[in-house]
Amino acid sequence: GNSVTQMEGPVTLSEEAFLTINCTYTATGYPSLFWYVQYPGEGLQLLLKATKADDKGSNKGFEATYRKETTSFHLEKGSVQVSDSAVYFCALKSGNYGGSQGNLIFGKGTKLSVKP
Amino acid sequence: NAGVMQNPRHLVRRRGQEARLRCSPMKGHSHVYWYRQLPEEGLKFMVYLQKENIIDESGMPKERFSAEFPKEGPSILRIQQVVRGDSAAYFCASSPDNSGVSTDTQYFGPGTRLTVL
Repeated sequence: GNSVTQMEGPVTLSEEAFLTINCTYTATGYPSLFWYVQYPGEGLQLLLKATKADDKGSNKGFEATYRKETTSFHLEKGSVQVSDSAVYFCALKSGNYGGSQGNLIFGKGTKLSVKP
Repeated sequence: NAGVMQNPRHLVRRRGQEARLRCSPMKGHSHVYWYRQLPEEGLKFMVYLQKENIIDESGMPKERFSAEFPKEGPSILRIQQVVRGDSAAYFCASSPDNSGVSTDTQYFGPGTRLTVL
């Protein structure tokens, strides 16, 4: 079945360090891929997405490229800030109910802590 | 445009009681999804509804859990006879109709944190 695997945390970095959070997926067909971020005590916010192979999603300095050949969607940021401390979830959208709706399948999340 | 609303934000129940969680989707959205997040875990899909219809309930436990999305009013996730293992954060998400705009993205509410004593 469809699944998402992301690197386990926690990840602790110093401010301005380079960030990579690995995400790989297993899916039939051509899923859409997402990164969501969850700040403490809050719900999930969409960070970025890509809907087809070789697409690059980007937002707030974060970016991820949909790599079909390696079934990956790794999240990167060149210089992290303390305010980036959160839990990051990789997800894919499976299912096709005659449109593009369908439930999301999430990885387990990676907790990022950025120290000043 | 208000986001997805969920209430209550925190809910405490004793074993055997009923829990009712409410979700109001974003304006113009008629697709609602419920997810459960156990401590230190990712979100797990429970159920997908459209107005007055359950589209996919493959993630719902077979007993004690039910969901509805009536023509008027919020979507309700109902848990009967709660047990300690039901303690979790329950998130609702919504997405727009098929109207030419991107329907890939789901917008999440702040969640209801259920604690069963």
